[in-house]
Amino acid sequence: LAKTTQPISMDSYEGQEVNITCSHNNIATNDYITWYQQFPSQGPRFIIQGYKTKVTNEVASLFIPADRKSSTLSLPRVSLSDTAVYYCLVGDFLHGSGNTGKLIFGQGTTLQVKP
Amino acid sequence: DVKVTQSSRYLVKRTGEKVFLECVQDMDHENMFWYRQDPGLGLRLIYFSYDVKMKEKGDIPEGYSVSREKKERFSLILESASTNQTSMYLCASSATSGPSNEQFFGPGTRLTVL
Repeated sequence: LAKTTQPISMDSYEGQEVNITCSHNNIATNDYITWYQQFPSQGPRFIIQGYKTKVTNEVASLFIPADRKSSTLSLPRVSLSDTAVYYCLVGDFLHGSGNTGKLIFGQGTTLQVKP
Repeated sequence: DVKVTQSSRYLVKRTGEKVFLECVQDMDHENMFWYRQDPGLGLRLIYFSYDVKMKEKGDIPEGYSVSREKKERFSLILESASTNQTSMYLCASSATSGPSNEQFFGPGTRLTVL
């Protein structure tokens, strides 16, 4: 099972672009890379998912190099409300063997956005 | 709007008690999950279910059991609560279609076992 490693914490200022990198050296061929955001006293919220190259939605971009051993979540022009914990997730629940593919949550990166 | 609800936000129980945590989703999702979240350890999967009456062990199933009698409801059971089960418990659901790993989470139940 692919484990993930990401920085414990990061600081940024409003208006800056924030890049959070996740390492997943043992990623399997069928694994997707997914990022979640969690605010205090709330459950995590899905942000973005990708398999390779680059994925972009209205919230973030996800960059995945060709070897897929790492990925970078990019948050453009952060605001104070982006202060949260960000989780990198590697796995494939739907297509894992016999529907028992497991998702591995990293420890999360606490992003603090300062004014 | 999609919704996952959990029966309690806060719960205090005594060692040895049987504890039921209930989760209901209104999205007709096939898959449901129970996690616990502890400081420094992130989220850890306890059990999941991909269909009614079906269940699979996650990474830390010891001391827990689950029940899924109806598609919308997934219950986590602590047969005999212990202090090391004090934690935040999060329920989630996901569809078989759509992004493979997109899960919708409830607000969590903070359980304290004395």
